[in-house]
Amino acid sequence: DIQMTQSPSSLSASVGDRVTITCRASQGISSWLAWYQQKPEKAPKSLIYDASSLQGGVPSRFSGNGSGTDFTLTISRLQPEDFASYYCQQYNSFPLTFGGGTRVQIK
Amino acid sequence: EVHLLESGGGLVQPGGSLRLSCAASGLTFTNYALTWVRQAPGKGLEWVASISGGGDYTYHADSVKGRFTISRDISKSTLYLQMTSLEAGDTAVYYCAKRSGRNNGPHDYWGQGTLVTVSS
Repeated sequence: DIQMTQSPSSLSASVGDRVTITCRASQGISSWLAWYQQKPEKAPKSLIYDASSLQGGVPSRFSGNGSGTDFTLTISRLQPEDFASYYCQQYNSFPLTFGGGTRVQIK
Repeated sequence: EVHLLESGGGLVQPGGSLRLSCAASGLTFTNYALTWVRQAPGKGLEWVASISGGGDYTYHADSVKGRFTISRDISKSTLYLQMTSLEAGDTAVYYCAKRSGRNNGPHDYWGQGTLVTVSS
């Protein structure tokens, strides 16, 4: 099974800050990686797919990078509505696996 | 617009059974693989099972293999998760999610979830 390790597990930041979340796969997954945003009591929402492609309707302040085993999600200028949890997921092979999540909180 | 609506959750005793449904609309049902993902209270996301667009391939997590079965009814555009021998550890919100391709791809649309509580 491919293990997905996300870091940090939580962070505190201010509106306007640049935030970067890291996701590492235990083996190479090419670019088969997605990022999801989840707000409390809500379903996950797709942000990024194929490691760096922005899902339709997602603001351009979100960007993804990486391939192989190391990936990042960057929010260039944090907005109030961005305070949420973020998860990476590999879809290179079954079982599909998620990172443990990163909670972005207001400083 | 794609819409996924889960139903069938509720309170069930340990050892009991439950069938979840996910009604899909706004898409050509057989063109997309579908997945069940669950989230235990206060925890992260866990993949449960996936099925191909035509229903010919299914995959289940080891934690549910032999107890849960994913299926789809093309005539009803509905995804199912038959759950048996339920355990306390199965307590979670269960989401259905659409994949971007017939057999694979990321999950681009999610339902709102249905809560399953396993307790005596």
